[in-house]
Amino acid sequence: GENVEQHPSTLSVQEGDSAVIKCTYSDSASNYFPWYKQELGKRPQLIIDIRSNVGEKKDQRIAVTLNKTAKHFSLHITETQPEDSAVYFCAASTGRRALTFGSGTRLQVQP
Amino acid sequence: EAQVTQNPRYLITVTGKKLTVTCSQNMNHEYMSWYRQDPGLGLRQIYYSMNVEVTDKGDVPEGYKVSRKEKRNFPLILESPSPNQTSLYFCASSLGGTVGEKLFFGSGTQLSVL
Repeated sequence: GENVEQHPSTLSVQEGDSAVIKCTYSDSASNYFPWYKQELGKRPQLIIDIRSNVGEKKDQRIAVTLNKTAKHFSLHITETQPEDSAVYFCAASTGRRALTFGSGTRLQVQP
Repeated sequence: EAQVTQNPRYLITVTGKKLTVTCSQNMNHEYMSWYRQDPGLGLRQIYYSMNVEVTDKGDVPEGYKVSRKEKRNFPLILESPSPNQTSLYFCASSLGGTVGEKLFFGSGTQLSVL
């Protein structure tokens, strides 16, 4: 089955800096790649997603890039703010079976 | 308000005592699924359902059962809970199409099996 690896497990940045979280996947048939944000004690919430026919997608301060050849995708957060502090999960799906999540990255934005 | 409702929010039980965690969505979503969240392991899918009466195993189905008799409800059943099933459980739903696309999560159920 699909295996998704996520790095780093923790990330600390200064407010205003950029943060990058990287994921690799194993199944070349995967074609859907969402990112979820989970604040402390809350439910995961979708922040951005990308399909395999697109190389990059942006939504205000967040962007996701996808490299199908290398089977990796990344989340980029620019001008980080304290409210960006949370655990971020990447995931991958072939569209036909289970959605497989990475192990998560705890992002801490220092004021 | 569009939502996925899970109950109970917290549950403490003993080994072997059957329990059910309920999940209901009011968005007419076709796809529903259950995940467990453990530190360092992320979210792992237990079971999912593409529609009424259609269920399939996720990555960690052992020790769990589900049913999908109605579109809005997708209960998770632990017939003989064991301590290794102590975890935070999330139900999620989505409109359909690509499996797991744009999931809406419930608030979670923290389960402790003693």
